[in-house]
Amino acid sequence: DTAVSQTPKYLVTQMGNDKSIKCEQNLGHDTMYWYKQDSKKFLKIMFSYNNKELIINETVPNRFSPKSPDKAHLNLHINSLELGDSAVYFCASSQETASTYNEQFFGPGTRLTVL
Amino acid sequence: RKEVEQDPGPFNVPEGATVAFNCTYSNSASQSFFWYRQDCRKEPKLLMSVYSSGNEDGRFTAQLNRASQYISLLIRDSKLSDSATYLCVVNIGAGTASKLTFGTGTRLQVTL
Repeated sequence: DTAVSQTPKYLVTQMGNDKSIKCEQNLGHDTMYWYKQDSKKFLKIMFSYNNKELIINETVPNRFSPKSPDKAHLNLHINSLELGDSAVYFCASSQETASTYNEQFFGPGTRLTVL
Repeated sequence: RKEVEQDPGPFNVPEGATVAFNCTYSNSASQSFFWYRQDCRKEPKLLMSVYSSGNEDGRFTAQLNRASQYISLLIRDSKLSDSATYLCVVNIGAGTASKLTFGTGTRLQVTL
């Protein structure tokens, strides 16, 4: 069974369109993340949610809006797509406690290409 | 200066060789440290955590020097299957505010 799944795996779209990427985890974790990996392979955190509450919001354009309907899901909606949004987007989840770090499990990634 | 710096490589080594990767980080308040592995067109996966006392997992040994803000990974007896990109990762936050900062990765290619 897939632990962290993302849909779609590939997304090709025109500039200016609005698109969504979905993420689900069946690990029972309470924290979920979105990362962006650009063409130079640099992986950078965008958002994190803990129990549906936004915890980390890095300097991401407000065209990107995460939504967590429940703690097993974290979706990413992108408005007015730009060429520079082309990247691989990874979802991840972990079970964080107050004092320790627990492994983050990554989804397979969504390769977004904006034409 | 990047928060986490690594030599991008590639490191091309023959099977059986020993190879070492280094990484430096800039934030002295960093809480925890890791090596992740990323295969081509795949997601990153945790390879091992890194402790000040050093830790070993089979052919892999990781070391942390907090004073120098330096992390290392040693791979002994390299296998073809070790070919991948190795990401040095630093956790700036803690608990539910954990925030992983990734280096750009060091690419390893093990050849026959």
